Amino acid sequence: ETGVTQSPTHLIKTRGQQVTLRCSSQSGHNTVSWYQQALGQGPQFIFQYYREEENGRGNFPPRFSGLQFPNYSSELNVNALELDDSALYLCASSLLDRGVYGYTFGSGTRLTVV
Amino acid sequence: GQQLNQSPQSMFIQEGEDVSMNCTSSSIFNTWLWYKQDPGEGPVLLIALYKAGELTSNGRLTAQFGITRKDSFLNISASIPSDVGIYFCAGRKGTSGTYKYIFGTGTRLKVLA
Repeated sequence: ETGVTQSPTHLIKTRGQQVTLRCSSQSGHNTVSWYQQALGQGPQFIFQYYREEENGRGNFPPRFSGLQFPNYSSELNVNALELDDSALYLCASSLLDRGVYGYTFGSGTRLTVV
Repeated sequence: GQQLNQSPQSMFIQEGEDVSMNCTSSSIFNTWLWYKQDPGEGPVLLIALYKAGELTSNGRLTAQFGITRKDSFLNISASIPSDVGIYFCAGRKGTSGTYKYIFGTGTRLKVLA
């Protein structure tokens, strides 16, 4: 059973650019959630995808968008990057409603916006 | 965005000591969770609590779901160096199929050998 894999591990972008982060879900998991974790803070929920559709969203602007693919891998896209977007971005995969112990986090992508 | 309040923010303890930390919220949750995050890694679930008043143990860890459903506590007994890390509480909200997790601000634990 593979874990949750995120790529790239680190990334540096310039303010105003666009970025795409990727997440490969744990085998058999049909739900993926994305979180933003600023330095010294807890993770903040961005959104969740189930069967390729967004089914929950936190307080993030529309320039944060996502995709889930038929193989349940996922992308997080951020447009018009701002300095405050610098953070660790985590994805978590699960099998819908199968319980909290199946909610598995990846190691994250560290995004730095300069 | 909403975050739960955790205290203390950080603590230094001697190996072998017991540790206590807590988490409070202005809103009610039906599920409370405690995670540990090591540097360069994602959070890993330690304990889940599903009922007000519930007390659950996982090895040296014990957590309690507050009666008001607005708080939770985590205790670590006889700490060891590998307990170092950041501990997050999280409340789960939403309905079936739309759950989301609200995380606390974290308690950073350092253990002195």
